[in-house]
Formats: sequence, C-alpha cells, structure tokens
Amino acid sequence: NAGVTQTPKFRILKIGQSMTLQCAQDMNHNSMYWYRQDPGMGLRLIYYSASEGTTDKGEVPNGYNVSRLNKREFSLRLESAAPSQTSVYFCASSEDSRALMVYSNQPQHFGDGTRLSIL
Amino acid sequence: EDQVTQSPEALRLQEGESSSLNCSYTVSGLRGLFWYRQDPGKGPEFLFTLYSAGEEKEKERLKATLTKKESFLHITAPKPEDSATYLCAGGSQKVTFGTGTKLQVIP
Repeated sequence: NAGVTQTPKFRILKIGQSMTLQCAQDMNHNSMYWYRQDPGMGLRLIYYSASEGTTDKGEVPNGYNVSRLNKREFSLRLESAAPSQTSVYFCASSEDSRALMVYSNQPQHFGDGTRLSIL
Repeated sequence: EDQVTQSPEALRLQEGESSSLNCSYTVSGLRGLFWYRQDPGKGPEFLFTLYSAGEEKEKERLKATLTKKESFLHITAPKPEDSATYLCAGGSQKVTFGTGTKLQVIP
C-alpha cells in the first residue's frame, strides 16, 4: 500500500522555467492538498481539492496552478519559477469531502515531498 | 485568525528522560487537534487526533492530551528512535499547522 506518492523527489530549476509536480494517492480519498514547508514557517496550504473536479485556493496560491485529474491524482504547476518558490512541497489526502470547507476532521496523509530549488 | 503555537522549538533529552511537548491554540470552534511525527527528508506521519477537552490517546511511549487551550504530547522513557520533529495542527474552517518541536534523544 503506497499511500501518497509524489514525483519527482528532487528538482533544480532555473528562474522562469516551468514544471509540474505530480501526486497520486491509492486510499480512495476525496480530498487532496498541496502544501509548502519552509524553515520556521510550518506547513502552508497552497491549493486544495475537496472532491474530483473541484479546486480552491489556500493560503499562498500566487504563482501556482493545480489540476485534479481524477480522484487519485492532483498536480501542482509552477508556470514561471521564482527564487521565492524554493521550498519543500508536500501533497496530502484525507477522507473528508466537504465541498465548501477546507477543514477536515479526518487526519491528512502525506507524501514524502518534492525538494525544489530555483536558481 | 486561527493560531497554533508549539514549544519548545527544540528539546534534547537523555534516553529514558520523560518530558512533554506543548501545543497551544487559538481556534474558534476547534473541530480536531492532530499530532504528526516528521523524520528528516520525509513527510509528516499521522499520530493522533483529539476531538474534545479531556480526551487522551496513547501509542507506545507517546500520550496526547487536550484541554480547551492547549494540547500536550507526553513522551515517557524516550528512546533514540523517538528523535524527530513533532507537529501539531488544528482548526475549524481550515487546518493550521504549528512550526514543530525538534526532539533529539541521546543514548
């Protein structure tokens, strides 16, 4: 049982390049999330998807786009990479499926992250 | 705005030396308080969910408790393999994460 799988694990980009971070979960969860983790700032929500076909902005969405491809897959795209986007990106999923609320009273299950450096 | 604050930022313990990690929260209408463990280079791993004041949950050497203003993660007789960063999170409309306590247990 793989849980939440993220690819790639590491990536170095040049300023202005674009890339897509992939995430897939095999737990049949409705809700999926993208976070970034920076030293001293904790996990910050970028985008979330409460169910297949829906996406919404989180706390720090600027510079990112997302696609909920199907129930299993949720991708994050950087259209034009900036140094401020250097971070560790985590994808998560949870059982809850509240269409109008970000919050879930079920725990989130995380992948092992993508470490992204932009030079 | 919801706030979740963890203390201390870092904690160094001798093997077998019990202690507690604190998570204080300012959340209107808390729906759940979560504890996670994060190892270097890995994603957070879910440990516990607490839903109401007075609730307690245990797993091996860890016990989580919840009051109306804070949660504690008690570590009894820790071992080196308990070394990790421990995160707490909670909210009502959305989940807010604390910045974590980095625990080091020395043999």
